[in-house]
Amino acid sequence: DTAVSQTPKYLVTQMGNDKSIKCEQNLGHDTMYWYKQDSKKFLKIMFSYNNKELIINETVPNRFSPKSPDKAHLNLHINSLELGDSAVYFCASHPGGPETQYFGPGTRLLVL
Amino acid sequence: KNEVEQSPQNLTAQEGEFITINCSYSVGISALHWLQQHPGGGIVSLFMLSSGKKKHGRLIATINIQEKHSSLHITASHPRDSAVYICAVKDFGNEKLTFGTGTRLTIIP
Repeated sequence: DTAVSQTPKYLVTQMGNDKSIKCEQNLGHDTMYWYKQDSKKFLKIMFSYNNKELIINETVPNRFSPKSPDKAHLNLHINSLELGDSAVYFCASHPGGPETQYFGPGTRLLVL
Repeated sequence: KNEVEQSPQNLTAQEGEFITINCSYSVGISALHWLQQHPGGGIVSLFMLSSGKKKHGRLIATINIQEKHSSLHITASHPRDSAVYICAVKDFGNEKLTFGTGTRLTIIP
């Protein structure tokens, strides 16, 4: 029943590792996003996809690579993890038009 | 690039009080969102508005496009309203949201 789901919920890993976070929405929305919330709780957009195509790519290191196998899924792969990547990553989806976004529960990433 | 400012940063009030949280932005926008982030971390989108006023239960959001300002009001506040409230603006012509730094609201029983 969950509208926007993310896995895993928590991820603890060592510096230098590669990890992926998955996002799925069952709302039929065309647009999906990845946001990063830092330790000061500030939210910032990272990527946006519309119908599997990248439409927003903020100034994010190219160690971060989003992948959208279909419009219901937007995964985030992170190579060579660094301490500064520790944050909460939120996925969201949007139906377009004057509607609100729907957020996933977040993935708390801790890089040691 | 849009700059989004919220005030106050922190607000503590007694149960039942009328609450106002403000958001100002620097450049014209196509829409403004109010989000609520619970202590557990989950984010809920409360409103999206591009003009006028919207109401949902005890929550009211208003926007003044000319003054580049929006307010979120909570009537008859309750401890369960304790959360961080975040304003976010959407620029014209793209899907990008720029977020304010949030207002931490604590309602004391």
